[in-house]
Amino acid sequence: QQQVKQSPQSLIVQKGGISIINCAYENTAFDYFPWYQQFPGKGPALLIAIRPDVSEKKEGRFTISFNKSAKQFSLHIMDSQPGDSATYFCAAIQGAQKLVFGQGTRLTINP
Amino acid sequence: SQTIHQWPATLVQPVGSPLSLECTVEGTSNPNLYWYRQAAGRGLQLLFYSVGIGQISSEVPQNLSASRPQDRQFILSSKKLLLSDSGFYLCAWSFRGDQPQHFGDGTRLSIL
Repeated sequence: QQQVKQSPQSLIVQKGGISIINCAYENTAFDYFPWYQQFPGKGPALLIAIRPDVSEKKEGRFTISFNKSAKQFSLHIMDSQPGDSATYFCAAIQGAQKLVFGQGTRLTINP
Repeated sequence: SQTIHQWPATLVQPVGSPLSLECTVEGTSNPNLYWYRQAAGRGLQLLFYSVGIGQISSEVPQNLSASRPQDRQFILSSKKLLLSDSGFYLCAWSFRGDQPQHFGDGTRLSIL
């Protein structure tokens, strides 16, 4: 019940396309959903986050869509660029509990 | 602003040797601190977290231990390294448990 399931494991998108990464959870007590971006040899960096009282949050080319009833949330990267090539992790947390991470998606943007 | 430092960036150690990885946070006080391990191509596994000096919670029974001797210092240790301890070790901090975590750049540990 504490898991966050992330898909796909890897994704290849052409430059200028839309990259979509999906996550699903079971614990309805989760109340904060961040996404992290990790480049090789670096630590994950917070990219964007959402709380379940909103259905969508947009920051530049990055958008989180949140479906509370389906217990799913997704990251959309519009106009994907080669510099977006990285591993992306979704995560979820309940109150002051542990941050639960998805298994990650390796995104490759082809020029 | 807050910054987090981890060192060393890379480390190669023989099996059976001791380990000490250090993490410090600047620009805040009484942060929550975390140690994660990331296997190649895999997700992040929480090893330890701390909500204050001397307060350590262990998530996974293993060959490692953690200590927090000062408010903004978090240390990951082992008395005798195993081959299975190889990996990418990440330190993170947050203002509180329900706030986003911010990661350091990690230590790549290779055990020979």
